[in-house]
Amino acid sequence: AQTVTQSQPEMSVQEAETVTLSCTYDTSESDYYLFWYKQPPSRQMILVIRQEAYKQQNATENRFSVNFQKAAKSFSLKISDSQLGDAAMYFCAYRSATAKYIFGTGTRLKVLA
Amino acid sequence: KAGVTQTPRYLIKTRGQQVTLSCSPISGHRSVSWYQQTPGQGLQFLFEYFSETQRNKGNFPGRFSGRQFSNSRSEMNVSTLELGDSALYLCASSLASAAKNEKLFFGSGTQLSVL
Repeated sequence: AQTVTQSQPEMSVQEAETVTLSCTYDTSESDYYLFWYKQPPSRQMILVIRQEAYKQQNATENRFSVNFQKAAKSFSLKISDSQLGDAAMYFCAYRSATAKYIFGTGTRLKVLA
Repeated sequence: KAGVTQTPRYLIKTRGQQVTLSCSPISGHRSVSWYQQTPGQGLQFLFEYFSETQRNKGNFPGRFSGRQFSNSRSEMNVSTLELGDSALYLCASSLASAAKNEKLFFGSGTQLSVL
């Protein structure tokens, strides 16, 4: 069975600095997708970025980028130039061939002014 | 276009009761999935419906059930509530469930408290 692990329950970053949230996963599949979702205090989760497992190039969305290491089964999220609005829970997610989503336990990010 | 709507936002029940939660997906979305979110456990997948059929199911007891109507709206039911069922229940919709890269659109959830 696939698993997703986020080992950092909470992280802090100074405004305008860079922070990296880690995520590791375990799977025997070769075709899958990985996602980072953000959950602000409003509770409504929003997709931040997604990565296709067969693509070696790391995905980037503005200030958000990932470091995808397929062999190591690692999928970290880097947030550059952190802003106060980035404060939220961040969930790493894996989508299997059966289309079932598996989420990690989340990392709470605090942005310090 | 309206987003995913979940009702009610908050719910308080007592042990042994049953509860029904509702989710209206984005217009045109045919897939609806449900998740239970608890502190320290993250999101755990309950089930997914696509065109009124359950396509995937998580590892939850039979007390948790759901259904989807012809207009894609979905309901989730929990019978014989237990204290451990207290959680935020999130619903998400997507256009179809076949594409693995398809993103989910989430509602704001229903916070269920079981006393």
